[in-house]
Amino acid sequence: DTAVSQTPKYLVTQMGNDKSIKCEQNLGHDTMYWYKQDSKKFLKIMFSYNNKELIINETVPNRFSPKSPDKAHLNLHINSLELGDSAVYFCASSQDRANLRPQHFGDGTRLSIL
Amino acid sequence: AQTVTQSQPEMSVQEAETVTLSCTYDTSESDYYLFWYKQPPSRQMILVIRQEAYKQQNATENRFSVNFQKAAKSFSLKISDSQLGDAAMYFCAYRSPNTGNQFYFGTGTSLTVIP
Repeated sequence: DTAVSQTPKYLVTQMGNDKSIKCEQNLGHDTMYWYKQDSKKFLKIMFSYNNKELIINETVPNRFSPKSPDKAHLNLHINSLELGDSAVYFCASSQDRANLRPQHFGDGTRLSIL
Repeated sequence: AQTVTQSQPEMSVQEAETVTLSCTYDTSESDYYLFWYKQPPSRQMILVIRQEAYKQQNATENRFSVNFQKAAKSFSLKISDSQLGDAAMYFCAYRSPNTGNQFYFGTGTSLTVIP
């Protein structure tokens, strides 16, 4: 079974639309993350939740809103999509928030804005 | 799908010493890229070194070098003259040019540097 699963894997949409990316982990981890991979292949942390509590909120446009209905899920909602939002978004989870335990990554969601 | 395995969740090294972090991967592809990323407490991923699979020569970047063994599907990272600032989580990653440049990450190795 996939440990961290993201849906959809590919998302093609037009500028101005609102879209969501879902992430679920079945590892029983307390902490989940969203990363954005830019064109230079760097992964930038966007958000982190620990037991449904927001613990990392980097400088990200407020069009991006994470939602954690329970600790196994961390969804990413994006309003008014812009061309610069095109990227691969990775979800990850770990057992703790101190960056001492392994992080498990999803396979990524490739978002393309037309 | 390709898998990347880092079998050492935690490693420690004495300052100024050398440490090697291991990474293995499973693939049927012949052309791909391999990376090591460093993740400090800020959580940002910093590219440390990259290796193209078609190159036999091991990549080197200052104190960081890799031992790339394509047949064994092994890609270890050697850090020489370890410094306190090297303490971080290190991720090995595989990129496939054949599946839309899909990235696959290992689960990370937490490196502690002892003064």
